[in-house]
Parts: sequence; structure tokens; C-alpha cells
Amino acid sequence: AQSVAQPEDQVNVAEGNPLTVKCTYSVSGNPYLFWYVQYPNRGLQFLLKYITGDNLVKGSYGFEAEFNKSQTSFHLKKPSALVSDSALYFCAVRDEASNYQLIWGAGTKLIIKP
Amino acid sequence: DTGVSQDPRHKITKRGQNVTFRCDPISEHNRLYWYRQTLGQGPEFLTYFQNEAQLEKSRLLSDRFSAERPKGSFSTLEIQRTEQGDSAMYLCASRLLSGNTIYFGEGSWLTVV
Repeated sequence: AQSVAQPEDQVNVAEGNPLTVKCTYSVSGNPYLFWYVQYPNRGLQFLLKYITGDNLVKGSYGFEAEFNKSQTSFHLKKPSALVSDSALYFCAVRDEASNYQLIWGAGTKLIIKP
Repeated sequence: DTGVSQDPRHKITKRGQNVTFRCDPISEHNRLYWYRQTLGQGPEFLTYFQNEAQLEKSRLLSDRFSAERPKGSFSTLEIQRTEQGDSAMYLCASRLLSGNTIYFGEGSWLTVV
């Protein structure tokens, strides 16, 4: 069965430090992987995706993520955190054979302290 | 703004009343999705359309819920005889059939009192 795990409910980082939000997945075929961010009382905003190609993908707001097939991971990273990065981050996966359904992680709350 | 638009953004209703939410997807996006999200949780898939055809419904979608996309453009999600457990944010999203990324609207918050 397809699944996504975000093992940390919350990540605390000091402003200016690098940040990592972890995501591991399980799918039967080739994965399509996504990161979304959600600010309070707002919808989800697309950050980046991995479909194929270079394992390091770059996205919006200076975020990047690294696809690691052997570890079935797709961790979100940023070299230098900003207070404005504080939000809820969701990882999602879709099996390439699936027509519609994204499987979502439970979300990780990222808190950046000044 | 040409993003996904949802209306109303907030709705407070009494238990037992009917509510309807509207979603206008990004222009020319064939696929339209409805999700439900409760506080602290990830989105839960409810249903999706390809053009005007409703192709899949989650088991979460009880018979009190109905969704339509009559002309393959905007969509409505109606909840009849609302219950307190229906309180959540209802998210609409869309994508091109040929694309991989779905884009979300700002959501419609429902509070059933």
C-alpha cells in the first residue's frame, strides 16, 4: 500500500540556520513526490516536485528537496531559514499508475525562532 | 488572479442545515478535486472530476455530500443535513490532465454549531 511518513510533528530551527523536514514514502511503482506549505487558515501552496531526472530539485522560496531512491526519502531543505518560513509542511506521493490520488503525510510544523 | 477560487471562505451554519461551496478552478484545468482537512491533519480526498464527469468518490463522501461540475468549469460541493462532524476546511484543487501538479484554492471553512 502507498504511504507517506513525516516522522517529526514539529521542527524548531533558529533563524539563519539550515533546516530539514523529513519525508519517507512507500509506493509500488515509480513515485511522483511533492511538497506543499500551508500558512494558518490558508490553502496549500505548491513548493516543489520530483517526477524524474536530477535527484535534487529546487522550488519556491529557496527550498529544495533531495530524492533518495534507496532510502525512499524526499527530505525538504533550505540552507538558511527565515522566520517567515514558519508554517505547516506536507509531503505527498502519487504512484505513476494512479490517476488521481495523492497520498499525504500528516504534516510537520516548522517553527523558525528569531 | 488566475488561481483556484473558492467561495465562501467561511461559513457558520446550524446543525441540520444545508450548505453549498463553490470552486472555480484554474482556467483550462480538466481535473478538479475536493478534499477535506481538519485541524492538524493532512488533506483527505473526497472526490474528483475530469471535465464534467465525476470519476471517483471516496468512502468518506457519505450520501449527504454531493458534488457537481455541470459544464466542466466550476464545481459545487453540497452538504445536506450538516452535522458537527462536518466542521472542517473544504479544499478545492485543479490540474491539467497533462500535468502533474495540483494547485489548491484557499479553502472554505465550515463550522457547524
